[in-house]
Amino acid sequence: QVQLVESGGGLVKPGGSLRLSCAASGFTFSDYYMSWIRQAPGKGLEWVSYISSSGSTIYYADSVKGRFTISRDNAKNSLYLQMNSLRAEDTAVYYCARVVVAATYGMDVWGQGTTVTVSS
Amino acid sequence: SYELTQPPSVSVSPGQTARITCSGDALPKQYAYWYQQKPGQAPVLVIYKDSERPSGIPERFSGSSSGTTVTLTISGVQAEDEADYYCQSADSSGTYQVVFGGGTKLTVL
Repeated sequence: QVQLVESGGGLVKPGGSLRLSCAASGFTFSDYYMSWIRQAPGKGLEWVSYISSSGSTIYYADSVKGRFTISRDNAKNSLYLQMNSLRAEDTAVYYCARVVVAATYGMDVWGQGTTVTVSS
Repeated sequence: SYELTQPPSVSVSPGQTARITCSGDALPKQYAYWYQQKPGQAPVLVIYKDSERPSGIPERFSGSSSGTTVTLTISGVQAEDEADYYCQSADSSGTYQVVFGGGTKLTVL
């Protein structure tokens, strides 16, 4: 079945780095745009980043621009998020999600999320 | 920055109709999507492109659009529909900025 599984979350100190991964299965990964979305504890959803199917088009939320890098490896059916210069406000559950076909936003498949905690 | 506005909470009795609104200046030009999120779970898409329902989503979920407001309607609300609901859209300024509304807690009395 269609599935996204995130990994790589954990506890990191302010200013540190972390790399999240998302393994896709059950669909042709290279056909789909993908996104990362996060949710701080007790808060709402926040879109983080988007990457086109080929990786040629990338967008970031202003809150992470210059610190986070999204990438993908279609041969490995995997999506990544490199997070540098982490801050306390980056503490959240991070979800990877598949973008709806023929759209540039709107997510029809979500992973279960991986938790990132930034604390000293 | 672009914002979508939702009511923080909506309460209905079982069997009644729940309507959750989402307002934003760019909604006449950009599609809206709706997600349901239950505690400890990932969001689930319940409406896409304003009014389309994904396969597997019950027919009691519907969406509509009028001007700068989109509405998620749940007809014949069931206890299992109690959840947080988020709208999502994008600005129309030419920059790719995707936004979520603040979320609405639906309580089934």
